Amino acid sequence: KQEVTQIPAALSVPEGENLVLNCSFTDSAIYNLQWFRQDPGKGLTSLLLIQSSQREQTSGRLNASLDKSSGRSTLYIAASQPGDSATYLCAVGSGGYQKVTFGTGTKLQVIP
Amino acid sequence: DAGVIQSPRHEVTEMGQEVTLRCKPISGHDYLFWYRQTMMRGLELLIYFNNNVPIDDSGMPEDRFSAKMPNASFSTLKIQPSEPRDSAVYFCASSLGSFPVTIKREGFTDTQYFGPGTRLTVL
Repeated sequence: KQEVTQIPAALSVPEGENLVLNCSFTDSAIYNLQWFRQDPGKGLTSLLLIQSSQREQTSGRLNASLDKSSGRSTLYIAASQPGDSATYLCAVGSGGYQKVTFGTGTKLQVIP
Repeated sequence: DAGVIQSPRHEVTEMGQEVTLRCKPISGHDYLFWYRQTMMRGLELLIYFNNNVPIDDSGMPEDRFSAKMPNASFSTLKIQPSEPRDSAVYFCASSLGSFPVTIKREGFTDTQYFGPGTRLTVL
């Protein structure tokens, strides 16, 4: 059974700082890995999707990397802004087509 | 497109009552997913459908839970009878899925689009 862990569970940084969120998974036989953002009281918004054959994806100030062999992914956020404050979840596709296992989430607070 | 639509947004009920949650996926999406989110267990996949057919219901906690998708634009998740431990936020999501589930393409999964969720409280 795939297990996905995110560290740290919560993070508070001053505005403008670069930061890294971590995601680890136990079964390296994955199809892909996605990073989502969840705002309080709302659903999830997809940020980046990395296919199993890829090592990284970039979108604006976000960069996600994937190392299947070590069972790790990182989400790098450059020049953080207060609007980045949210909970970030990684989700691993494995164990079945379209089947996704979510991580525990990292709650990020960017202080102005 | 209005995105994935869920109703109701909030539901408060008493233990033992039947609860029905509703979802309208994005038009044209072939896959529909039901998730449950709690503080203790995080976000869990309950069941997902492809072309209105249930594909994997291994996440459904017990027989009190059932899900249907009578057509491409509507799905329900029913809990009967409800219990206080069912209190959670229930999310519906949909994705395009260019390939039917019988044709596996390694490394291919479409982005899932989530609805706003239904917050269920069972007293």
